[in-house]
Amino acid sequence: DAGVIQSPRHEVTEMGQEVTLRCKPISGHNSLFWYRQTMMRGLELLIYFNNNVPIDDSGMPEDRFSAKMPNASFSTLKIQPSEPRDSAVYFCASTESLGLAGGPADTQYFGPGTRLTVL
Amino acid sequence: KNQVEQSPQSLIILEGKNCTLQCNYTVSPFSNLRWYKQDTGRGPVSLTIMTFSENTKSNGRYTATLDADTKQSSLHITASQLSDSASYICVVSAAETDKLIFGTGTRLQVFP
Repeated sequence: DAGVIQSPRHEVTEMGQEVTLRCKPISGHNSLFWYRQTMMRGLELLIYFNNNVPIDDSGMPEDRFSAKMPNASFSTLKIQPSEPRDSAVYFCASTESLGLAGGPADTQYFGPGTRLTVL
Repeated sequence: KNQVEQSPQSLIILEGKNCTLQCNYTVSPFSNLRWYKQDTGRGPVSLTIMTFSENTKSNGRYTATLDADTKQSSLHITASQLSDSASYICVVSAAETDKLIFGTGTRLQVFP
């Protein structure tokens, strides 16, 4: 398997523009997670899906952020309008299981990340 | 407040030496604790996951310990290699809510 695939790998945009980040989880995995990582705040969970359904979006910073998972093999994270403080690396991860109880199936596999720069 | 604190923030060791990274947490109720390794410019890679009933788990030269009573975990790296240079992140999952609480990581540098 190719692992978790994210695109684009790098995105530079201007403040106010819409940004869409894409993720393809590992085939057969049932949960998908979106993370944001900055030097100041470290790694933060934004939202996660079980079987394509959003379970917990309490980490989404504000209404400018939205995430969708139309099917088991694709998810998007959209920022509209983007702001300079959104600059970060955004990671997508997937797990085989539907929970975070700590069993082997809960191992999260991360993608390579998208480095977003908002000017 | 649920928190995860890691120490030290950064560490420099010589190749071949052992080292231990610490993780203290206040998460309650506790579900499980994970250690991740993150190379520069890459996504985190899972090293270990431990539940309440497990007090040690190994993955090659990496050995994680968990003391659920004192709410402490450590990650011991044996016979360090240059490729161990990375950030190591401790993550604790809260039971019932399935919330993940992240530490800020320890940056390890291994020099020849």
